[in-house]
Amino acid sequence: QQPVQSPQAVILREGEDAVINCSSSKALYSVHWYRQKHGEAPVFLMILLKGGEQKGHEKISASFNEKKQQSSLYLTASQLSYSGTYFCGTESGSEKLVFGKGTKLTVNP
Amino acid sequence: DAGVIQSPRHEVTEMGQEVTLRCKPISGHNSLFWYRQTMMRGLELLIYFNNNVPIDDSGMPEDRFSAKMPNASFSTLKIQPSEPRDSAVYFCASSPGLVGTQYFGPGTRLLVL
Repeated sequence: QQPVQSPQAVILREGEDAVINCSSSKALYSVHWYRQKHGEAPVFLMILLKGGEQKGHEKISASFNEKKQQSSLYLTASQLSYSGTYFCGTESGSEKLVFGKGTKLTVNP
Repeated sequence: DAGVIQSPRHEVTEMGQEVTLRCKPISGHNSLFWYRQTMMRGLELLIYFNNNVPIDDSGMPEDRFSAKMPNASFSTLKIQPSEPRDSAVYFCASSPGLVGTQYFGPGTRLLVL
């Protein structure tokens, strides 16, 4: 079942922070985050496994709350290069990765 | 290492024509996925293979769509006959296994006139 992402879109000024949420109605084994820039393929950012871990990539970090079946992606001190559409992908048990509809992030100067 | 390779990168064709998209997964990856992306519907999984065997084709929109994986290093997605509503970006992705990180190819941008 497709995870739900929120918000659908967010506009920031350079240096501002943002949070993107991803929730599922199923018990999750892992959550993956991808970023897709306009005209390009989705690119893997990070994976979070069951266990409530938090990971980081540059100034982008994420948390995974398996009890709430949700993950959040944190973008701090955003840069122009962060612009793009962020997708979460979730895995439940042995099921394949299922992607959310994406959150479009625009960072303006 | 080379990533996922897709060809052609762009395809413009007329309605009714056959279209064949090609994908070479990352060497050693056992799973291959075909996605379609449009503004309206986002990223849709069409079909996926594990060890060259189709596992789930429930995302294939119609019988006009077919996919094959004759060996571990090559897959095709065919549309026959093509229609304007098939216009989209088609991505191929591969993964070491059915579960886990997927690595996307650059995509094929298809325009059916």
